[in-house]
Amino acid sequence: DIQMTQSPSSLSASVGDRVTITCRASQDISNYVAWYQQKPGKVPRLLIYSASTLQSGVPSRFSGSGSGTDFTLTISSLQPEDVASYYCQKYSNSPWTFGQGTKVEVK
Amino acid sequence: QVQLQESGPGLVKPSETLSLTCSVSAFSITNAYYWGWIRQPPGKGLEWIGSISKSGSTYYSPSLRSRVTISVDTPKNQVSLRLTSMTAADTALYFCAKSLRWLGGEFDSWGQGILVTVSS
Repeated sequence: DIQMTQSPSSLSASVGDRVTITCRASQDISNYVAWYQQKPGKVPRLLIYSASTLQSGVPSRFSGSGSGTDFTLTISSLQPEDVASYYCQKYSNSPWTFGQGTKVEVK
Repeated sequence: QVQLQESGPGLVKPSETLSLTCSVSAFSITNAYYWGWIRQPPGKGLEWIGSISKSGSTYYSPSLRSRVTISVDTPKNQVSLRLTSMTAADTALYFCAKSLRWLGGEFDSWGQGILVTVSS
């Protein structure tokens, strides 16, 4: 099975900082990657699909990139409301694995 | 606006079978290609349990495959999860979710989740 390794597991940044989260697949998965945001006590929210397509209603400061094995979620200017855990998910084939998650905090 | 609502027991005894139902409203389940179940142990990350396609094909996590069954009841507009031989390790918040696109595996709509505790 293809593994998804997400890093870092947590990060702390200041408001306005650029934040980058990465996921690496153990095999080529083309662009079959989604990114989710989960705020404390809330349901996961789809941010990005097909590695780089912004889901409707998601602020433009969120972006995704990558193809093959390396994928990145970027928050261009961190806002207080972005405090959350972020997860990548691969869906190229079964199993549709989630990454381990990245907890983002504001300094 | 599509709404998903999980229902079932909040407490299950070890070795028992868990049966959960996801009731979908304001959307026909035949209009989505995939429906999935995902769980989240307290304080931990998301774990994909499995998915079912419009054609009825099922896909399961390798670690749960021997114990899990996902099915669809089209007339009732529901998706169901059955997980046998429950242990404390299965204690988690269980979510059902709908895929966004035809043949896409990304989940754009989620239920609120139901907390299932395994304890005697």
